[in-house]
Amino acid sequence: GENVEQHPSTLSVQEGDSAVIKCTYSDSASNYFPWYKQELGKRPQLIIDIRSNVGEKKDQRIAVTLNKTAKHFSLHITETQPEDSAVYFCAASTNNFNKFYFGSGTKLNVKP
Amino acid sequence: GAVVSQHPSWVICKSGTSVKIECRSLDFQATTMFWYRQFPKQSLMLMATSNEGSKATYEQGVEKDKFLINHASLTLSTLTVTSAHPEDSSFYICSAHRGGKQETQYFGPGTRLLVL
Repeated sequence: GENVEQHPSTLSVQEGDSAVIKCTYSDSASNYFPWYKQELGKRPQLIIDIRSNVGEKKDQRIAVTLNKTAKHFSLHITETQPEDSAVYFCAASTNNFNKFYFGSGTKLNVKP
Repeated sequence: GAVVSQHPSWVICKSGTSVKIECRSLDFQATTMFWYRQFPKQSLMLMATSNEGSKATYEQGVEKDKFLINHASLTLSTLTVTSAHPEDSSFYICSAHRGGKQETQYFGPGTRLLVL
């Protein structure tokens, strides 16, 4: 089955700096890669996703890049703000959305 | 759009009792829903895939007789934790698959279960 690895497990940045979280996956059949933000005790919220027919997608301060050959994808947050502090999860799935395989999560702390 | 609800949000029960958790897609139909379990400071672990009108498929290591799943309609899936024990205490989250232009999974708010 699919194995998704996520790094780093914790990340502290100063407000205004950029943050990068990286994930790798093992199953070449995976072609959908969402990123979720989860605040303590709350549901994961989809913040951005990418499908394997594109290499990069951007939404304001958030961007995701995908390298299918190397089987890795990354989340980039620019101009970080304290409210970006949360746990971020990457996931990988095949086209039929049968299963999402989640990374282990990254706790992002943005210091004001 | 794409709202998923869960009920209850909190459950405290005695060891040996059964607990039912409901997951509803409020504004769309979901032929497939998923049940996850999340321990503190850990990732979401997929327990099972719930398919409307058919049996759920369970991930390896998940006891189907302990975690009963019923997907009776296109908007409702239930997870019953039977004969709950303290080690079953966890955060249970469902998600619903929504097709169409913005196809993805939408998560419920989660149910925190504490078994005494």
